Amino acid sequence: DIQMTQSPSSLSASVGDRVTITCQASLDISDYLNWYQHKSGQAPKLLIYDASTLETGVPSRFSGRGSATDFTFTISSLQPEDIATYYCQQYESLPYTFGQGTKLEIK
Amino acid sequence: QAHLVEFGGGVVQPGKSLTLSCAASGFIFSDYNMHWVRQAPGRGLEWVALISYDGHNSFYADSVKGRFSISRDNPNNTVFLQMNSLRPEDTAEYFCAKEYVAGTVAFEYWGQGALVTVSS
Repeated sequence: DIQMTQSPSSLSASVGDRVTITCQASLDISDYLNWYQHKSGQAPKLLIYDASTLETGVPSRFSGRGSATDFTFTISSLQPEDIATYYCQQYESLPYTFGQGTKLEIK
Repeated sequence: QAHLVEFGGGVVQPGKSLTLSCAASGFIFSDYNMHWVRQAPGRGLEWVALISYDGHNSFYADSVKGRFSISRDNPNNTVFLQMNSLRPEDTAEYFCAKEYVAGTVAFEYWGQGALVTVSS
C-alpha cells in the first residue's frame, strides 16, 4: 500500500496568514493526488484534484502543487471559515489512501 | 447538483451484520463509480470499497476484505454496503461518495454519513 505522510498534524494560524500543508507519498504517484476539507459534522469537500486543479466553486486562496512524491497545499490568506481538518488522498493505486489529516485552528 | 443520503446506521453487536444504503440523485447514477469511505472516532478518513459504474467490478480495503460487500441497484440509484462479522474496530461514520470522472479517482460528492457502532 502507498503510505501518505501529511504534516503537520495540527496547525494554529492567524486570520490572513499563509498556511502550507505537506503530503509525502511512499512511492511515485505522479499527480494522482487530491485534497479535501472536512469540517466537524459535515461531509468532506473536494478542494483540489490531480495535485493542482481547483474544484469548481472553491475559492482561489486554496492551491496545490507537486508531483511524484512531494506535494503541498496552501491557503494564501486564512479565513475564519477555513477551520477544518485537511486531508490528502492518492489514487495512483488501490487501496486509495489518505494522509492522517491536518487540523487547522485559528490563533 | 448531486445529492447522496446514507441510511441504515445503528448499534450492532460484534459478529453481527448490518447493511448500509446510499440513495443518489442529481446525476446519472449508472455513469459513475461509487465508493464507501469511513472515519472512526478520533481518526482520519479510510477508503473502504469501490464499485464500478456497471456493478461488474468491486474492490476493498484489506481491513474489510472478505467481510464487507458493496453492490448497487442502478435503476433505483442506490449503492449498498453489506457488513458481516462486524468488529468493534469497524465503529465509524460511513460515507458514500461519488467518483469525479473516469480516470480521476476523486470523491466529488459525499453523503452526510451513517454512524455504525459495534458494541456488545
